[in-house]
Amino acid sequence: DTEVTQTPKHLVMGMTNKKSLKCEQHMGHRAMYWYKQKAKKPPELMFVYSYEKLSINESVPSRFSPECPNSSLLNLHLHALQPEDSALYLCASASTTGDLIGGYTFGSGTRLTVV
Amino acid sequence: TQLLEQSPQFLSIQEGENLTVYCNSSSVFSSLQWYRQEPGEGPVLLVTVVTGGEVKKLKRLTFQFGDARKDSSLHITAAQPGDTGLYLCAGVGGNFNKFYFGSGTKLNVKP
Repeated sequence: DTEVTQTPKHLVMGMTNKKSLKCEQHMGHRAMYWYKQKAKKPPELMFVYSYEKLSINESVPSRFSPECPNSSLLNLHLHALQPEDSALYLCASASTTGDLIGGYTFGSGTRLTVV
Repeated sequence: TQLLEQSPQFLSIQEGENLTVYCNSSSVFSSLQWYRQEPGEGPVLLVTVVTGGEVKKLKRLTFQFGDARKDSSLHITAAQPGDTGLYLCAGVGGNFNKFYFGSGTKLNVKP
């Protein structure tokens, strides 16, 4: 299995809703990432997990809450989002944070719309 | 400001034409990668270049890493509509040895 699977593919949520994005990989990768991408722009790093521990939080607002229940799963919990949070949310994995020669494997993303 | 600047930002060409996309930095990178992203999908890794001066070919795509490891280029020969997408360079470098994405090049190949 050489894929990163993200669900759901599309999500529309109100500003008072609570929802979660899910990401799963079975490549044995120990580094997992959340990125946010606006249209026609490069991905922006949000969070990095290394061996299931949060290692980087790029000053992301607390309305985004990451969770790594085990080495294969990564969640992003969303609460009280704003319309400007609408974007494509990408999950990625790599063998480790210190070895990116093999590059990232990205999921297909969740297209989030906040109304 | 981006640590990795790509040019051009947008490119619209006819099928069969050749093109080159550039990725430049003032910093040294230990490796550089190129990704292609289609609308509504995540980026897909095309290649990683590691050694200064390295050239890699992937069918009609030729990737080059600069001798000083501060720049890279992607050349596409005889572009096809299937090459349409957002091309991103990325790599580990800079003062904090972090992973950076380039500013992106949006390519449209018209049939």
